[in-house]
Amino acid sequence: EAGVVQSPRYKIIEKKQPVAFWCNPISGHNTLYWYRQNLGQGPELLIRYENEEAVDDSQLPKDRFSAERLKGVDSTLKIQPAELGDSAVYLCASSPSPGGFYEQYFGPGTRLTVT
Amino acid sequence: DQQVKQNSPSLSVQEGRISILNCDYTNSMFDYFLWYKKYPAEGPTFLISISSIKDKNEDGRFTVFLNKSAKHLSLHIVPSQPGDSAVYFCAASGTGANNLFFGTGTRLTVIP
Repeated sequence: EAGVVQSPRYKIIEKKQPVAFWCNPISGHNTLYWYRQNLGQGPELLIRYENEEAVDDSQLPKDRFSAERLKGVDSTLKIQPAELGDSAVYLCASSPSPGGFYEQYFGPGTRLTVT
Repeated sequence: DQQVKQNSPSLSVQEGRISILNCDYTNSMFDYFLWYKKYPAEGPTFLISISSIKDKNEDGRFTVFLNKSAKHLSLHIVPSQPGDSAVYFCAASGTGANNLFFGTGTRLTVIP
């Protein structure tokens, strides 16, 4: 079974430029998460989707970040415009069902460097 | 405010010995706890979990212990192997919520 797929793996952009990350979750997983991991820190949740609905986006900086999950499968996370402080690893994860205690399966992440 | 804390950023252990990684949490509403392992340039991989109704869960060489009164959990790896060298993250979740709160990680190095 294929795992969570993310692209690109690495991205270097100049500040004020836009950037987008793509995630394809494990087949059949209804719940999708985007996390940001700063250097030396643990992952921090940005947004959680149940199917195509964003059920928790309280930690998403909405002035510059946006996300979508069309048809409840793939998801895209966008930053516009990027700032120096956005340099981090952006992780996508998925789990089988909403609620309950299912472990989350992570993709390899996209390492963003903003110069 | 960090709700899940891993106070040891690094740990070195000889191959064959026991590795003990510790984690503390502050939110008494947390009732499900997980450990993830992360290799460089990869995403975290689920390792083992424990529900608050238990105080121990074992899976092969890995055992997680939960002390609810102390809001403390630990991961024991016995015997430690060089392939266990990675960053280990503790994570916690509350009832009815699927959001995980992660600690800052402990880098384990197993010396051959």
